[in-house]
Amino acid sequence: EPEVTQTPSHQVTQMGQEVILRCVPISNHLYFYWYRQILGQKVEFLVSFYNNEISEKSEIFDDQFSVERPDGSNFTLKIRSTKLEDSAMYFCARGGQGGLEQYFGPGTRLTVT
Amino acid sequence: DAKTTQPTSMDCAEGRAANLPCNHSTISGNEYVYWYRQIHSQGPQYIIHGLKNNETNEMASLIITEDRKSSTLILPHATLRDTAVYYCIVRAPGYGQNFVFGPGTRLSVLP
Repeated sequence: EPEVTQTPSHQVTQMGQEVILRCVPISNHLYFYWYRQILGQKVEFLVSFYNNEISEKSEIFDDQFSVERPDGSNFTLKIRSTKLEDSAMYFCARGGQGGLEQYFGPGTRLTVT
Repeated sequence: DAKTTQPTSMDCAEGRAANLPCNHSTISGNEYVYWYRQIHSQGPQYIIHGLKNNETNEMASLIITEDRKSSTLILPHATLRDTAVYYCIVRAPGYGQNFVFGPGTRLSVLP
């Protein structure tokens, strides 16, 4: 099964700015997930999203983060006011058949300066 | 989700089988064993999963012990492109369940 694509591949932004990371499914999927990986650290779960609502979220996913599916296809992660510590790889994933495996995109590298 | 224990790193000669072990002694009856890998900073790549029976696909084989407390991922003929960090994860089924990644095993395939 194909994964998802993500845009942009690399985003550089200044501290305090808003960023929007996009996840583009190959076909119709209902379950999406965002994970992040700070350089040299583990992959961490941020949020799961089903049918236009947040299903689960981690402690990392605080008020400065939001997710939505604005046009019924693209799935976005917004960081309202970026901090230096938000610099990381952000991975989108979609749910596989039966709620078992997840398929990850190539990631967006976010650099906050 | 149950915790897993993997060796920090392993080496394997190119063309030989790579056997990556994983301990998950506290696995619950409904939890599956999953293997993912991550090549450099790319997105985690799904490899295989299983519940009780051994599984094989085009990428690898998964051997789960009868008591389900440990498993082994087998890459039958490792290539240089298999150099990556391999993650063993146990997780209950369900779309709402996220994956909890540990540090994994860094596999180096040597020429």
